[in-house]
Amino acid sequence: KQEVTQIPAALSVPEGENLVLNCSFTDSAIYNLQWFRQDPGKGLTSLLLIQSSQREQTSGRLNASLDKSSGRSTLYIAASQPGDSATYLCAFDGQNFVFGPGTRLSVLP
Amino acid sequence: NAGVTQTPKFQVLKTGQSMTLQCAQDMNHEYMSWYRQDPGMGLRLIHYSVGAGITDQGEVPNGYNVSRSTTEDFPLRLLSAAPSQTSVYFCASKRRGPRGTGELFFGEGSRLTVL
Repeated sequence: KQEVTQIPAALSVPEGENLVLNCSFTDSAIYNLQWFRQDPGKGLTSLLLIQSSQREQTSGRLNASLDKSSGRSTLYIAASQPGDSATYLCAFDGQNFVFGPGTRLSVLP
Repeated sequence: NAGVTQTPKFQVLKTGQSMTLQCAQDMNHEYMSWYRQDPGMGLRLIHYSVGAGITDQGEVPNGYNVSRSTTEDFPLRLLSAAPSQTSVYFCASKRRGPRGTGELFFGEGSRLTVL
């Protein structure tokens, strides 16, 4: 059974810092990797999708990478802003999506 | 473009009552799914469907029924609500293509409280 972990569970940084969120999985038979953002009381918003043939994707200040051989994905956020404060979840698509528990990010002004 | 629409957004039930959470998508996605999100448990898959007339169980299907009569709609039914079903429910859909394709889109969620 695919299991997904995310480290750290929570992170608090001052505005302007570059930061890295980590996601690990146990089963290398994955296809897609998707990163989401969830604001309190809201649904999940898709940030980046890395398809099986890709190793990374970039959108604005966000960059996500996927290394199947090591079972890891990384979300890099450059020049963090208070508006980036949210919970970030990674999810792996094998037969169905399996979600990590999330990293709760606080960016302080 | 509405995307994935869930109704109702909030609902309070008494133990033993039944209700249906509605989910509709306008993206012509073959794959639709229901998750529940609980503190400390993350998102867990309840049921999913890969096309009209096809449904299957996820990780936590007990107490829930689904059907898929059209591509657009995927309702989730609670036949006899229990306090353990108090949760936030999310519907999600994606295009069903070759393996490794298909971005998952979520609705805004339905917050259910069972007293």
